[in-house]
Amino acid sequence: GQNIDQPTEMTATEGAIVQINCTYQTSGFNGLFWYQQHAGEAPTFLSYNVLDGLEEKGRFSSFLSRSKGYSYLLLKELQMKDSASYLCAVLDSNYQLIWGAGTKLIIKP
Amino acid sequence: GAVVSQHPSWVICKSGTSVKIECRSLDFQATTMFWYRQFPKQSLMLMATSNEGSKATYEQGVEKDKFLINHASLTLSTLTVTSAHPEDSSFYICSARPTGAETEAFFGQGTRLTVV
Repeated sequence: GQNIDQPTEMTATEGAIVQINCTYQTSGFNGLFWYQQHAGEAPTFLSYNVLDGLEEKGRFSSFLSRSKGYSYLLLKELQMKDSASYLCAVLDSNYQLIWGAGTKLIIKP
Repeated sequence: GAVVSQHPSWVICKSGTSVKIECRSLDFQATTMFWYRQFPKQSLMLMATSNEGSKATYEQGVEKDKFLINHASLTLSTLTVTSAHPEDSSFYICSARPTGAETEAFFGQGTRLTVV
């Protein structure tokens, strides 16, 4: 079966750095997405990785290792507004998005 | 970036009535649109994939006669929840895939449905 694992909840301090991991087992791979979702709102796109390596975009970076079935989202200089759920999703061989359950990130002052 | 407009943002309806939710791609054509449901503190659950001009493909466990999907044009898909019940109360989200761009999807704002 297809499976995406990410931690349920993480807590970090304002100004710090946090890394949210995602491991996946899917039938085929056409890329991995990270989305941010605030409570009561739709997900917003953060990043897309299809090749191995690190993609940096401002305070957010995303890393992919296809051989390990692993990705992480790195958030630097955390701000209170970064408190949200972070969803990992993999595009499988049928170009279907397979979603993780999301990681709720709590930022403390 | 590409914009997907979903309407209404929230709706309250009586049990037994039907509710229609619209999903429009405003500045691009979308052959494929996706409908998701999300219960509190859970991830998105794909309900169905709608393709312009053909019947939607429903995920296992989703009643096609209850959740009617119409994708009559390249910019509009609708989801109608028929004979709604309180257990249908949820957050419904659509996403649209630009025609020819298999790796992209843009989300609508979501619709909060409450059935009383």
